[in-house]
Amino acid sequence: AQSVAQPEDQVNVAEGNPLTVKCTYSVSGNPYLFWYVQYPNRGLQFLLKYITGDNLVKGSYGFEAEFNKSQTSFHLKKPSALVSDSALYFCAVRDYQTGANNLFFGTGTRLTVIP
Amino acid sequence: DAGITQSPRYKITETGRQVTLMCHQTWSHSYMFWYRQDLGHGLRLIYYSAAADITDKGEVPDGYVVSRSKTENFPLTLESATRSQTSVYFCASTADEPSNNEQFFGPGTRLTVL
Repeated sequence: AQSVAQPEDQVNVAEGNPLTVKCTYSVSGNPYLFWYVQYPNRGLQFLLKYITGDNLVKGSYGFEAEFNKSQTSFHLKKPSALVSDSALYFCAVRDYQTGANNLFFGTGTRLTVIP
Repeated sequence: DAGITQSPRYKITETGRQVTLMCHQTWSHSYMFWYRQDLGHGLRLIYYSAAADITDKGEVPDGYVVSRSKTENFPLTLESATRSQTSVYFCASTADEPSNNEQFFGPGTRLTVL
């Protein structure tokens, strides 16, 4: 069975500091991995994805994520956090169980960037 | 405006009542999805549709019914609402293979069942 874990419910970081939001996964097939962001009272927005290729994936708003197969991780990173990055972040993995290759989402990590 | 819209944005209903949440997208995307978002659970897939007249169950389908007579619309019906269905519901769509393409989400419907 596939699963995706976001071990931290809440991450706090000072503005200007680097940020990391963690995600680990477990899948039975090739790991297709995604990050989405949700701002208050909004739907989710796509940030980036790893399907194949380079382990370092660059996405929207200066975010990047590193795919690490040996550690089964796909951590989201940004070199310098902005207050406007404060939001709820979701990691998602290809769902091999419900069919049609949908996505299975983690429980989310709330990022707060402190001015 | 182009995009994906949901209505209503907020709904309060009572236990046992039927409620329909609407989802409309203007991109002619093939795939559409309904998720519910609950604290501690993240997003869970209720139903999805690969095309008009093709629907299938997701992770948590019990108590919900969907239809897709037109490509652009994907209504979700709670036939007899229960308090456990109090949640925020998101509709999403994607043009192509969902496992490797981004999904576009609507703004959500906050449903409260009293």
